[in-house]
Amino acid sequence: QVQLQESGPGLVKPSETLSLTCTVSGGSINSHYWSWIRQPPGKGLEWIGHIYYSGSTNYNPSLKSRVTMSVDTSNNQFSLKVNSVAAADTAVYYCARMSAYNSYFDSWGQGALVSVSS
Amino acid sequence: SYELTQPPSVSVSPGQTASITCSGDTLAEKYVYWYQQRPGRPPLLVIYEDKKRPSGIPVRFSASNSGNTATLTISGAQTMDEADYYCQAWDSNTGVFGTGTKVTVL
Repeated sequence: QVQLQESGPGLVKPSETLSLTCTVSGGSINSHYWSWIRQPPGKGLEWIGHIYYSGSTNYNPSLKSRVTMSVDTSNNQFSLKVNSVAAADTAVYYCARMSAYNSYFDSWGQGALVSVSS
Repeated sequence: SYELTQPPSVSVSPGQTASITCSGDTLAEKYVYWYQQRPGRPPLLVIYEDKKRPSGIPVRFSASNSGNTATLTISGAQTMDEADYYCQAWDSNTGVFGTGTKVTVL
């Protein structure tokens, strides 16, 4: 069964860049879409975007100007960068796998809390 | 941008039926997915493509989608069903989550 694990700094300063990596184990990254979803403390879920193993991306229009996703197939990892962060970007960030055929998120990481504070 | 609206909370007695609605413009023209999220845990898919249950999801979870409203029904609710529930759909290749509903079983 595929497993996903987020990693990266838990604290980022305002105006700097948030960087997270998701490591996929128990399956190949060379299929499916690989997604990032975030959840501010006590609030709802927000889809950030996804990347296909080929490198093609699709971002939420509300974040598109600040978001970059990339994939490293040799290490079975994909990554998220959000630049010019502010306090509103404080959230638990989840990576998730999305079926290319059914468009649902069927496997999730445990989530990584990233706080934006000076 | 597209929005999906859910009631903030629903309460149900054990063994009774809980219904959670999700409203959006012409929602019936889209597939709706439902996720359950227990505290401190990532979301778990409980319904996909409007009414299909993934393997391992109890039969007490059912759903429908018609007009502008999708509905998740928990028949014979159990204390373990106490969680937040989110609907989700795709609009112009953008993922949209509902506002979320906290289900309390007591």
